Order: sequence, then structure tokens, then C-alpha cells
Amino acid sequence: QVQLVESGGGFVKPGGSLRLSCAASGFTFSDYYMTWIRQAPGKGLEWVSYISSVGSTIYYADSVKGRFTISRDNAKNSLYLQMNSLRAEDTAVYYCARGAGAKGKDYWGQGTLVTVSS
Amino acid sequence: QSVLTQPPSVSAAPGQKVTISCSGSSSNIGNNYVSWYQQLPGTAPKLLIYDNNMRPSGIPDRFSGSKSGTSATLGITGLQTGDEADYYCGTWDSSLSAEVFGGGTKLTVL
Repeated sequence: QVQLVESGGGFVKPGGSLRLSCAASGFTFSDYYMTWIRQAPGKGLEWVSYISSVGSTIYYADSVKGRFTISRDNAKNSLYLQMNSLRAEDTAVYYCARGAGAKGKDYWGQGTLVTVSS
Repeated sequence: QSVLTQPPSVSAAPGQKVTISCSGSSSNIGNNYVSWYQQLPGTAPKLLIYDNNMRPSGIPDRFSGSKSGTSATLGITGLQTGDEADYYCGTWDSSLSAEVFGGGTKLTVL
């Protein structure tokens, strides 16, 4: 069965960095575009970034452009999100999801919480 | 302020029908597929509808989607207490080169 498991969240001070990982299993990871979506406490869904199946196409939300970097390792069935220069407003649960763009995200991970606070 | 506009809340009695609207523009809903997600309290979102009106396997036909122009609608019939959740619409915005979501609609089954 398809599984997406995020890890790497935690508590970090403003200006700090974190690297999130998403381990995929149960499907051919290299066939699929992948997306990061976040949800601030008590708020709605906010798209963060997506990456194409081979990593050649990447898009970012304006709110994270220049600070976050999405990447993938198809040999390791893993998706990553390097987050630098973190701000309080980046505090959220970060989900990885299969699919991208206008296509429905058909599988989601359980999410990993990132808290940015001094 | 979300690019897609949803009502903050809707409510209906068990067994009844409810619709949730999602309004956008020509750069998003007007020219791209719409998806709908259900988020039960404390859980990750779940895909309910993709490509405007398609249901993934396992999603009951009580859930339906439609699109007209720059608006989309999620319909839920035969409401159950287990349907109480937040519902989000989403699509791609070709002008922003970004995926956009509605602000979410909280469904209460009275």
C-alpha cells in the first residue's frame, strides 16, 4: 500500500534551518510528481512547492521562494524540503503528497510539525 | 486572503444534502482541473474529487463535484455525522504559477 512518512520537523529559532524528509513506499516513486503543502495551526492549506518526477521542473510559493529548496532522490524513494532563514510564519504542519499542479493529491503523509520561535 | 473563495461554514441535518461552492477566476478554476479534499479533525487531508468530478476508488458516490466557468461545487448527499470535517478546493493558477486552495469550509451535521 502507498505510504508517505514525513520526518525532520521540530523546534527551531528564527533564522535557523531544518531539512524535512518524506519516505515513500508502495508505488514507483520515480513515476510521480510530488508536492509539499503546509498548514499553520488552526489555518487552511497552503501550497509550498512541487517537483517533477525527475526533478527537472520545480515551482515554489512566493512566500518561500529563495529560502526553501525542494529535491528528491529517486534511488532512495525520498522527497526533501530544505528550509533556511526560517520565520515565525513558517510554523506549520508540513505534508508531503503524491501528485502536483492541477492534479489531485491522492496520497498524503501524516505531516511533521515545524515550530519557529525564539 | 485565499485566491479561491469558499464559504467558511455550512450545516445541514443528517440525511440531507449540502453543497459547498468554490469561486475563482479564469487563471485558475476557469482553465484548470479542480480537486476537493476532506480533512477530518486531527488528520491529513484526503482526496475526495479530482479532475472536477472524478472520485478516487473508495470514495462513495454520495460525494460529487462539478465545475462551471470559474466556479466549482462539491455536493454531499445522505449526510452522516462522520462527514463533519473541513473541506478544501484546490487547483493550479496559471498566472501565479502556483497551486491555490480555498480557505476551507467547515461542515457541521446538526
